[in-house]
Amino acid sequence: AQSVTQPDIHITVSEGASLELRCNYSYGATPYLFWYVQSPGQGLQLLLKYFSGDTLVQGIKGFEAEFKRSQSSFNLRKPSVHWSDAAEYFCAVGVNTNAGKSTFGDGTTLTVKP
Amino acid sequence: SQTIHQWPATLVQPVGSPLSLECTVEGTSNPNLYWYRQAAGRGLQLLFYSVGIGQISSEVPQNLSASRPQDRQFILSSKKLLLSDSGFYLCAWSRDRPTSGANVLTFGAGSRLTVL
Repeated sequence: AQSVTQPDIHITVSEGASLELRCNYSYGATPYLFWYVQSPGQGLQLLLKYFSGDTLVQGIKGFEAEFKRSQSSFNLRKPSVHWSDAAEYFCAVGVNTNAGKSTFGDGTTLTVKP
Repeated sequence: SQTIHQWPATLVQPVGSPLSLECTVEGTSNPNLYWYRQAAGRGLQLLFYSVGIGQISSEVPQNLSASRPQDRQFILSSKKLLLSDSGFYLCAWSRDRPTSGANVLTFGAGSRLTVL
């Protein structure tokens, strides 16, 4: 079965600073990887996804993520954080079946200092 | 465009009372439907998924059940709530046959359940 680890429970960065959120996965086959963002009390919104091809993927809101098979990682990055980026971020690994079930990490809470 | 609705948004229920959370999807047909639970400070746990009317798969043993009476309707129920059922419940949908790779999930706004 697949699993996802987000090592950082909480990260604080200053507005304008760069950001990297870590994600490590475990899956026996080719992974399908996702990053979602959740604002307080809301559902999750897809930021970006990796299925195949270019290992650097671009998403919405200026985010990008890089798939590194050798490290089993899919870290999320943003060069300059905005106060509105404060939220909880979830990494997920998907299964390539008709049901398309996804397994989520426990999330990383991002606080942005002014 | 597709939209997903969940209600109620907030619910406070006593222990032992029944539960019904409803989720509907518009703008698509034959979606895969999912119920996830998010406990405080934790990630999402898949509870149930459905690939068609009347077809329900349970991922974890629990006090809850799910039903899919119509193609775009997914209901989460309990006959008697426990304190441990408190949490944030999220409904999601995905296309039944993805054009490539695994299915992207689109989530509803969630239902916060507090059991007292």
